[in-house]
Amino acid sequence: GENVEQHPSTLSVQEGDSAVIKCTYSDSASNYFPWYKQELGKRPQLIIDIRSNVGEKKDQRIAVTLNKTAKHFSLHITETQPEDSAVYFCAASPLGGDKIIFGKGTRLHILP
Amino acid sequence: DTAVSQTPKYLVTQMGNDKSIKCEQNLGHDTMYWYKQDSKKFLKIMFSYNNKELIINETVPNRFSPKSPDKAHLNLHINSLELGDSAVYFCASSQFTDYGYTFGSGTRLTVV
Repeated sequence: GENVEQHPSTLSVQEGDSAVIKCTYSDSASNYFPWYKQELGKRPQLIIDIRSNVGEKKDQRIAVTLNKTAKHFSLHITETQPEDSAVYFCAASPLGGDKIIFGKGTRLHILP
Repeated sequence: DTAVSQTPKYLVTQMGNDKSIKCEQNLGHDTMYWYKQDSKKFLKIMFSYNNKELIINETVPNRFSPKSPDKAHLNLHINSLELGDSAVYFCASSQFTDYGYTFGSGTRLTVV
């Protein structure tokens, strides 16, 4: 079955700097890669996703990249702000799959 | 108008008790899920139902029994609660896995 590895587990970044979170997946049949943000005490919320027919996708300060050959995908947050502090989860789902497999999460701290 | 709602939000109970958590979605999605989030924030799938039919049953103790009376509702009943059952339980729904999940607000279960 699919296995998703996520690094780092904790990341501290100065406000205004960029943050990068990296994930790898094992199942070459995976074709959908969502990213979720979970603020303290709240539910995980979908912030951006990418499908395997696309190498990069951007939404304002957030971008995701996908390298299918290496089975890597990454989340990039630029000009970080205090409200970006949260736990971020990467995930993968195979084509026609019946579930999304999550990475173990990255706790992002934005330092003032 | 909450898309995926769970009740109760908090549940504190003694070991050995039986408890239920309820979930309802008004998004018209066909598939609903239960995920368990432990103290390390890891999101692990427990069950999935598609249009009232059980399609995923991960290695969960049989003290946990899901029930889906219709495609908009998915409940979780837990018998003989143990200390290790303490966690946040999230319900989620999706139309297709490659369009992501919408999560409920979670139920924090504490077994004492």
